[in-house]
Amino acid sequence: VQLVESGGGLVQPGGSLRLSCAASGFTFSSFEFNWVRQAPGKGLQWLSYISGPGTTIHYADSVKGRFSISRDNAKNSLFLEMNSLRDEDTAVYYCARQGRDDYNSAYFDPWGQGTLVTVSS
Amino acid sequence: SYELTQPPSMSVSPGQTASITCSGDKLGDQFACWYQQRPGQSPVMVIYQDTKRPSGIPERFSGSTSGNTATLTIGGTQAMDEADYYCQAWDSSTANWVFGGGTKLTVL
Repeated sequence: VQLVESGGGLVQPGGSLRLSCAASGFTFSSFEFNWVRQAPGKGLQWLSYISGPGTTIHYADSVKGRFSISRDNAKNSLFLEMNSLRDEDTAVYYCARQGRDDYNSAYFDPWGQGTLVTVSS
Repeated sequence: SYELTQPPSMSVSPGQTASITCSGDKLGDQFACWYQQRPGQSPVMVIYQDTKRPSGIPERFSGSTSGNTATLTIGGTQAMDEADYYCQAWDSSTANWVFGGGTKLTVL
């Protein structure tokens, strides 16, 4: 089971970036996914959720209207389209698979290695 | 917005027990998870559904709850347990996941 993020880099304020998360080792379409970020020296911040078919999506208020989560089940890939980027969006961005147990309680496992996004002029 | 509150830091001597708390108004209604993040690494789940330990996580890690407080306990703490620990819960009113601010555990 592996998740590998890509697409991070340096972008100017107001710019856009598209992150990808390539999954392998499991049936991608059967799982829900999330994006989580961590600003330098700070804690974890949940950003967005997407269901297995991609029909249910949730966003944190801080990114609603600017970020868009999507997935391509045929290509075992998860995406995060980020627009109108701000300095405060600078962070390591992680994708995380959401698992559920017999009691329908959910958890994030595993996490990818993260990709760094730097927003700066 | 819903918040989960953790102590920012704590220290423990090797071999002693570390207990990290996480408090939140809705924790009594939702399960809590705990994640360990060693320096420079991605988070790893160590407890889910309040008390369950995933395969591969040492038995010294355990979870408990009481009212609106979840607790991660590390018994017989080792140097390798030095890390940041985060609690997490689902906020059904906003359909958002919430993380606690994290607790930096120092083993010295």
